[in-house]
Amino acid sequence: DTAVSQTPKYLVTQMGNDKSIKCEQNLGHDTMYWYKQDSKKFLKIMFSYNNKELIINETVPNRFSPKSPDKAHLNLHINSLELGDSAVYFCASSSQGAHAEAFFGQGTRLTVV
Amino acid sequence: GENVEQHPSTLSVQEGDSAVIKCTYSDSASNYFPWYKQELGKRPQLIIDIRSNVGEKKDQRIAVTLNKTAKHFSLHITETQPEDSAVYFCAASITGNTPLVFGKGTRLSVIA
Repeated sequence: DTAVSQTPKYLVTQMGNDKSIKCEQNLGHDTMYWYKQDSKKFLKIMFSYNNKELIINETVPNRFSPKSPDKAHLNLHINSLELGDSAVYFCASSSQGAHAEAFFGQGTRLTVV
Repeated sequence: GENVEQHPSTLSVQEGDSAVIKCTYSDSASNYFPWYKQELGKRPQLIIDIRSNVGEKKDQRIAVTLNKTAKHFSLHITETQPEDSAVYFCAASITGNTPLVFGKGTRLSVIA
């Protein structure tokens, strides 16, 4: 069974559209994240979310909004897509205890045209 | 917030040689330092990690060292093989409290 799964794997869309990426984890973790990996391969945290709190990275435009219907899911909704949003988006999860290993989903390659 | 610097950005070694990747971090409260390997088109995967109460950890051909005073840590790969070719990321966090902050990655190429 896949521990962290995200859909879709590929997403091609036009500028100005709104799109969502879904993420689910079956590890029982209480913390989930979204990372953005740009063309230079830099992995940058966008959001982290646990039972109690959504932590918003101030450098993320408010066109990006995470939504967590429950502990096992953290979806990412993006409004008014721009060319610069093209990247690979990774969902990840971890526990809050001593073992803080982050498990990553397979990534969603978003291409805005 | 935490800032992680990683060097070199690219590294080419001959098969069988050793490879060393170095990282520094800025937040002295960070206590968890994992290393991830990302193969082309794949997700990052943990290969080894070290916590601040340990100075060195080894797993077969891979070892990590941590110098808390200097706030730097390193990944050592011995007897490199072509399948070690990938992008390697170091990261730092405060366990259970903050998300991982990654270095910018090192593209390792092992030449047969």
